[in-house]
Order: sequence, then structure tokens, then C-alpha cells
Amino acid sequence: NAGVTQTPKFRVLKTGQSMTLLCAQDMNHEYMYWYRQDPGMGLRLIHYSVGEGTTAKGEVPDGYNVSRLKKQNFLLGLESAAPSQTSVYFCASSPRDPSYNEQFFGPGTRLTVL
Amino acid sequence: SQQGEEDPQALSIQEGENATMNCSYKTSINNLQWYRQNSGRGLVHLILIRSNEREKHSGRLRVTLDTSKKSSSLLITASRAADTASYFCATVLNTGFQKLVFGTGTRLLVSP
Repeated sequence: NAGVTQTPKFRVLKTGQSMTLLCAQDMNHEYMYWYRQDPGMGLRLIHYSVGEGTTAKGEVPDGYNVSRLKKQNFLLGLESAAPSQTSVYFCASSPRDPSYNEQFFGPGTRLTVL
Repeated sequence: SQQGEEDPQALSIQEGENATMNCSYKTSINNLQWYRQNSGRGLVHLILIRSNEREKHSGRLRVTLDTSKKSSSLLITASRAADTASYFCATVLNTGFQKLVFGTGTRLLVSP
């Protein structure tokens, strides 16, 4: 059981470039989330998904898009990267309503946009 | 804006001492969770306390919740060097899809 995995672990982009971050979970969880973590800010929710084929906006969705084509995968896309998107990105999953269940986190992707 | 604010922002203690971290929040919650993050790693769930609970224990962890004061505390007893990490509280609100809203965290350093 690998849990939640993220690809890549590190990435450096130039302003305007695009990239996709991949999150995969092998726990058959319904819910998946993308967060960003910035110094002194805690984690902020970017987008989330309550099931295959569904996505919804979180607290800071601007500049990001997501897709959940398969239950086990949740992709985060940056179409035109900006320096303000330099951050550590975490994916998480949970089996159902998070009011009763913990979220399981991946190891993170450190992204730098120059 | 952040729902939860942790206090203190940083805490440095010796092994064997107790560590207490506090979390304050602004609006009504369904439950409150505490997570630990080791340097360069993802978050790991520690404990969940529901709004109708006042205290919960798990091993060396003790969590209290005071909904009238909108605050929670995490106590780690007999701390170890391996407890060195950042600790975050996260609230689940009573409105809409029940997302986790994280606080800013407390950095704990436990020296041998």
C-alpha cells in the first residue's frame, strides 16, 4: 500500500510555462484534494473532488485547473505559471465526509517559478 | 482568511517535558483535527475531536476543546526528540461541503 503519491517531487518552471502535477492514491478513497503551503500561511485548499468526474473550487483556485478522470488519480494543472505559484503542493485523500475521517497526505511537490 | 490560529508560533523544550499548543478559531465547527508535519514531509493525522466532545486522549496526546471560547489545545506529554515537527489544527465548519481549514501551525523543537 503506497498510500498517496505525488509526481514530481521537485520542479522549476519559467514564468508562462505549463505543467501538470499528478496525485495517485491506492486506498479507494472517494474524496481528493489539492493544497498549497506557503511560509506562515498553513495549508490552503485549491480544488477538491468528491468523486470520479467531479471537481470543485476551494479557497484559492485561480490559475489552476484540475481533473479527476479516474477515481485513483487527481491532476493539478498550471496553464501559465506565475512566480506567485511558487509553493509546496500537497495532495490528500479521504474515504468519505471529512467531518468524520482524517485526510491522508502525499509527500508534496516543491515548485519554483522563476 | 485562516480559520485557525495556533499559539505559540514556535516552542522549544527539553526531552521529557510537556508541550502545549493552542488553537483558536472563528466560526462554529463540526469537528477539529490536529496534524503533524515533519520537515519536508506531508501531514499526518493525529487526533479528531468532535464539537460535542470536551477532551480526548491518544497515547501521549491529550486534546481539549472549548466551543464557548472557540479554542482547542494539544498537549504532548513526556516529549521526545522525535516529536520535533510542526503541528497544525484544522477545523471542519458546519456550513457547506465540510472541508478542512488549517491554521498556521506551531513549530515544536524537542532537544535531547
